[in-house]
Amino acid sequence: GQQLNQSPQSMFIQEGEDVSMNCTSSSIFNTWLWYKQEPGEGPVLLIALYKAGELTSNGRLTAQFGITRKDSFLNISASIPSDVGIYFCAGRNQGGKLIFGQGTELSVKP
Amino acid sequence: GAVVSQHPSRVICKSGTSVKIECRSLDFQATTMFWYRQFPKQSLMLMATSNEGSKATYEQGVEKDKFLINHASLTLSTLTVTSAHPEDSSFYICSARPRVLSEQYFGPGTRLTVT
Repeated sequence: GQQLNQSPQSMFIQEGEDVSMNCTSSSIFNTWLWYKQEPGEGPVLLIALYKAGELTSNGRLTAQFGITRKDSFLNISASIPSDVGIYFCAGRNQGGKLIFGQGTELSVKP
Repeated sequence: GAVVSQHPSRVICKSGTSVKIECRSLDFQATTMFWYRQFPKQSLMLMATSNEGSKATYEQGVEKDKFLINHASLTLSTLTVTSAHPEDSSFYICSARPRVLSEQYFGPGTRLTVT
């Protein structure tokens, strides 16, 4: 089946640093989404991307929909302690299903 | 807007018993709701898609007789884990898709522990 490869699996950074994570797939997706999940909670939508090449920002977060429609990245600038959590990419396929990446666990040291 | 609730947030049950989890869209109507399962340190895996008034569509490998899904109204879907076993212990998350908006909004999840 369709799979998303998300990297890195985990990141340990200092407060104030920028963060970058990405997802790649061998399949084409119509939509790329980025979610954040905190312990014991459901995922919260951060950014949705609908067009190949689209670059979208949400505060300190910026995400891009790859031109090939097979990849996406998420950048977080000037990280703060509350950015801690697990970030998931998700692609929506032509059947309308969301396929999730394995997640990137972010730790921020004050 | 677009708030989804789940009840209970945590449940512990004995092996062999059944447990029901509710998923409600609080401020919108959802023709489609989804049920996911997430094991520790793993990603979300779609279990089934439920449309209001019709039978749920289960993903490959998910037993429909074990995981009963009912989507009786535009704001409520329930997942019943029947004859639960310890290996069913997991974090169950629902999501709902509003009629007008296209994205799924996730509930806070239900932690099921089967002893």
